[in-house]
Amino acid sequence: DSGVTQTPKHLITATGQRVTLRCSPRSGDLSVYWYQQSLDQGLQFLIQYYNGEERAKGNILERFSAQQFPDLHSELNLSSLELGDSALYFCASSPVETDSRETQYFGPGTRLLVL
Amino acid sequence: GQNIDQPTEMTATEGAIVQINCTYQTSGFNGLFWYQQHAGEAPTFLSYNVLDGLEEKGRFSSFLSRSKGYSYLLLKELQMKDSASYLCAVSAQTGANNLFFGTGTRLTVIP
Repeated sequence: DSGVTQTPKHLITATGQRVTLRCSPRSGDLSVYWYQQSLDQGLQFLIQYYNGEERAKGNILERFSAQQFPDLHSELNLSSLELGDSALYFCASSPVETDSRETQYFGPGTRLLVL
Repeated sequence: GQNIDQPTEMTATEGAIVQINCTYQTSGFNGLFWYQQHAGEAPTFLSYNVLDGLEEKGRFSSFLSRSKGYSYLLLKELQMKDSASYLCAVSAQTGANNLFFGTGTRLTVIP
């Protein structure tokens, strides 16, 4: 158990819908990262927040958005869902903003299925 | 852009040694990570290299050559539970430490 929690574990929805994925980082960690893992692709970095502010952006679609709240939990919002958005969405956390020596700890993931 | 390459699949025998290679071409470099991921589960941290050379941690070792853009993960005394995907990831962005991942190497350990 990494100490990172994600809800829900599974989500089934229809095309065109909107969903929200939630992540609580490890106690004391200020950085939160979101990654997408599709069947035929590796983990793709989406976005990083540090202490409530956006720090880095990866291949995140405009239909997707995220935020980090004062209590440090984060939410990833996916809208106008398409079949291709079906994937595992992982949240990770680390204590720091930019020190790569600090490893990231991954949550159990949310499996999203868009029908 | 960032490019990280690993073999897609490997098979090895229980008790043996296996080496999983990773080559990378990234716009920056702040370190290279190896993660283990069992099917449907979260990646778990195995090793971190930022300087050239070998880092040993129990049955697992990781090597880095920055000049060659090359790393490998060495697994010794393979056990059945080592069957998993092994992900090579590079921290490449200045001012951030998000990771760029390869597609992973699925290792199957056979008796």
